[in-house]
Amino acid sequence: QKEVEQNSGPLSVPEGAIASLNCTYSDRVSQSFFWYRQYSGKSPELIMSIYSNGDKEDGRFTAQLNKASQYVSLLIRDSQPSDSATYLCAVRPGGAGSYQLTFGKGTKLSVIP
Amino acid sequence: DAGVIQSPRHEVTEMGQEVTLRCKPISGHNSLFWYRQTMMRGLELLIYFNNNVPIDDSGMPEDRFSAKMPNASFSTLKIQPSEPRDSAVYFCASSRTGGDEKLFFGSGTQLSVL
Repeated sequence: QKEVEQNSGPLSVPEGAIASLNCTYSDRVSQSFFWYRQYSGKSPELIMSIYSNGDKEDGRFTAQLNKASQYVSLLIRDSQPSDSATYLCAVRPGGAGSYQLTFGKGTKLSVIP
Repeated sequence: DAGVIQSPRHEVTEMGQEVTLRCKPISGHNSLFWYRQTMMRGLELLIYFNNNVPIDDSGMPEDRFSAKMPNASFSTLKIQPSEPRDSAVYFCASSRTGGDEKLFFGSGTQLSVL
């Protein structure tokens, strides 16, 4: 059973702080890793993807991947109230079945003004 | 460019009734996915189509669920008969290919089975 685990939260951070969201996965052959943001009552939207160990930065967002530890994280710098949402970690294996995305249940983030 | 279009947005029905959810993927996308989201189980893949052909339906809960994709621009997910435990948000998503291409989600159908 392939699993993706996230702390459900809620994670509360003050405006301007760094929000750190964490995700662990069980399938060692996983090759691709994604972070989706889902506002309440809306559909998920992709905000970051990462495929190699290390950090990947995009604006205020940084994704971090450590395949040896089976760990992926998302940092949000200078958090804004508009960042308040549920963040879903998703993992995809390589090769056969590479279409199959396994999602975590999400971490709810609240940014307090 | 229109995104993935789902209908209806909300569906309330009684146990035992047939429910049909509809999806129009983004033009040019050849991969289509149906997901179900609940608080308890999160987002689960129900079925995946590639070039209108069902590739993986292992996530379909049971025979009460069926999905079709008669052409590249339309797909349906049918539940017959519906049960209260089917209550969830059902999302349709599409991508250009089934690999690492970005997944675009529709706005979802909130299904309530009474």
